[in-house]
Amino acid sequence: RKEVEQDPGPFNVPEGATVAFNCTYSNSASQSFFWYRQDCRKEPKLLMSVYSSGNEDGRFTAQLNRASQYISLLIRDSKLSDSATYLCVAGGYSGAGSYQLTFGKGTKLSVIP
Amino acid sequence: NAGVTQTPKFQVLKTGQSMTLQCAQDMNHNSMYWYRQDPGMGLRLIYYSASEGTTDKGEVPNGYNVSRLNKREFSLRLESAAPSQTSVYFCASSERDPSYEQYFGPGTRLTVT
Repeated sequence: RKEVEQDPGPFNVPEGATVAFNCTYSNSASQSFFWYRQDCRKEPKLLMSVYSSGNEDGRFTAQLNRASQYISLLIRDSKLSDSATYLCVAGGYSGAGSYQLTFGKGTKLSVIP
Repeated sequence: NAGVTQTPKFQVLKTGQSMTLQCAQDMNHNSMYWYRQDPGMGLRLIYYSASEGTTDKGEVPNGYNVSRLNKREFSLRLESAAPSQTSVYFCASSERDPSYEQYFGPGTRLTVT
């Protein structure tokens, strides 16, 4: 089974702090990578796609290291509203030949006033 | 524009009962998915439909059937519910294949006693 591994946390950080999450994926043939955000008892929502060159969206920066098969997410200037579970996702072809996403179990972030 | 809608939001079944979870999207997406999410587990793909008229098994298809009724609707049926199927079920859709952003519905919380 293709795996995506994440530290479950929780990460408890003060407002304004910078926090970084990493995850590793086992399928070396993975082709697409994402970070999703999931609030408590809500559906996952796309935070950002992750590109080989790295990408930034406001306070969020995502990096991909294909050689080491890990993905990172950096959140700068944390806000209370950033409190959520962050899901790392890798997409690639399964053994059956179909393209599927594999979700990590998530990393829980709590931003404290 | 409602995005992805799911019914019901909550359901309690007795072992052996059957039910159908309904999902509809209004974004004209080609691909639709059914996932389950259990505590301590990542989202796991049950079935998906790459386009109207096609369905394929995901990682955990046993005990489920699906129907892609038309481009908008994708239903999940439990023929004989078991306690192991107690979970939160999410429907999702994407414009094309899974390498594109997936949009999730609000989920159905199912308990089988």
